[in-house]
Amino acid sequence: LAKTTQPISMDSYEGQEVNITCSHNNIATNDYITWYQQFPSQGPRFIIQGYKTKVTNEVASLFIPADRKSSTLSLPRVSLSDTAVYYCLVGDSAGNMLTFGGGTRLMVKP
Amino acid sequence: NAGVTQTPKFQVLKTGQSMTLQCAQDMNHNSMYWYRQDPGMGLRLIYYSASEGTTDKGEVPNGYNVSRLNKREFSLRLESAAPSQTSVYFCASSEKGFYNSPLHFGNGTRLTVT
Repeated sequence: LAKTTQPISMDSYEGQEVNITCSHNNIATNDYITWYQQFPSQGPRFIIQGYKTKVTNEVASLFIPADRKSSTLSLPRVSLSDTAVYYCLVGDSAGNMLTFGGGTRLMVKP
Repeated sequence: NAGVTQTPKFQVLKTGQSMTLQCAQDMNHNSMYWYRQDPGMGLRLIYYSASEGTTDKGEVPNGYNVSRLNKREFSLRLESAAPSQTSVYFCASSEKGFYNSPLHFGNGTRLTVT
């Protein structure tokens, strides 16, 4: 199984940029990297997906270095409503299943 | 569109009882998944169905069975519930399967086994 490693928790303040890094040393050639957000009592929600370099959408940016062994989710100017758990996800080397790591619990303070 | 719908939302079982968790998606997705999430933990894959007519074990399949009833529906059955199966169960679907296709999740079934 492809394993991911993320910080357990992070604190930030409203208006700041938050960067959450995920390590995925055994990512396979065909794997994409996907990030999800989860609020209490809800299922995870897709944020952004990328393969290499940089991807940006209306809510976040994803930075992936050339070796693809890590990725960084960037949330610009966070608000209190961004307080959630963030998961990065990659496929395993055989492409058979997707397993979530423990996620990063982001707390945004006023 | 409703997306992924799970029923029931809550359930309490006694040890040894059986039940089936239902999941349906209206996005015409090929692949469906069942995860469990224990308090303060990440999600662990129980079973998945890459396409209609196929099912495969995930990381923690023991004590569970699944049925891919048709393209829309994927059910999870507990034949003899145990307290260790107390958890929140999430169903998800994706268009193309594990590679490069975002997962869409339901809002979960909260199961307590006493």
